Amino acid sequence: GAGVSQTPSNKVTEKGKYVELRCDPISGHTALYWYRQSLGQGPEFLIYFQGTGAADDSGLPNDRFFAVRPEGSVSTLKIQRTERGDSAVYLCASSFTSGSVNEQFFGPGTRLTVL
Amino acid sequence: RKEVEQDPGPFNVPEGATVAFNCTYSNSASQSFFWYRQDCRKEPKLLMSVYSSGNEDGRFTAQLNRASQYISLLIRDSKLSDSATYLCVVNHDYKLSFGAGTTVTVRA
Repeated sequence: GAGVSQTPSNKVTEKGKYVELRCDPISGHTALYWYRQSLGQGPEFLIYFQGTGAADDSGLPNDRFFAVRPEGSVSTLKIQRTERGDSAVYLCASSFTSGSVNEQFFGPGTRLTVL
Repeated sequence: RKEVEQDPGPFNVPEGATVAFNCTYSNSASQSFFWYRQDCRKEPKLLMSVYSSGNEDGRFTAQLNRASQYISLLIRDSKLSDSATYLCVVNHDYKLSFGAGTTVTVRA
């Protein structure tokens, strides 16, 4: 079956611009997660959705970052007034449900470069 | 202090060798533990879960010591295809915390 998909695969933008990154989770997965991976580091948690609601957004670095999942499936991560430090790979993951034993399946990521 | 600390390596080993590396984690309330594999410019993929009793999956053996908050991975009979970055991962509820990864290169 189809895995987690993310678009675009690459995004180059200029400092100060607005970007949207999209994630399509595995069908039937209720839990969706966003992570950010900088070069040479492991992924870092940003936000978790259970259904349509953001159950935990404690990993979002500041109020320039926002994510939505209006219908409980596709999610969009939105970054306003991008800064060079936002350059990273943004990974989306989904799982059948939440909880510590449920495997999270990752998408291929969106590589964001802010010039 | 990072929640998960790993030896970054790199470990450069010949085919057929055994390689072992480990990580430590700081949150004693962590509930589950994993090793993920990440190939260059690809997404992380689950390699195996790690249980307190220790567990094997083919050539891979993982160990967990909850008292010491220490997790290990051993790869036997290394293959060229084992070359990758191995991420130590701990889970508290839904949130995964990743180490920075250990790079393993298997040479012919």
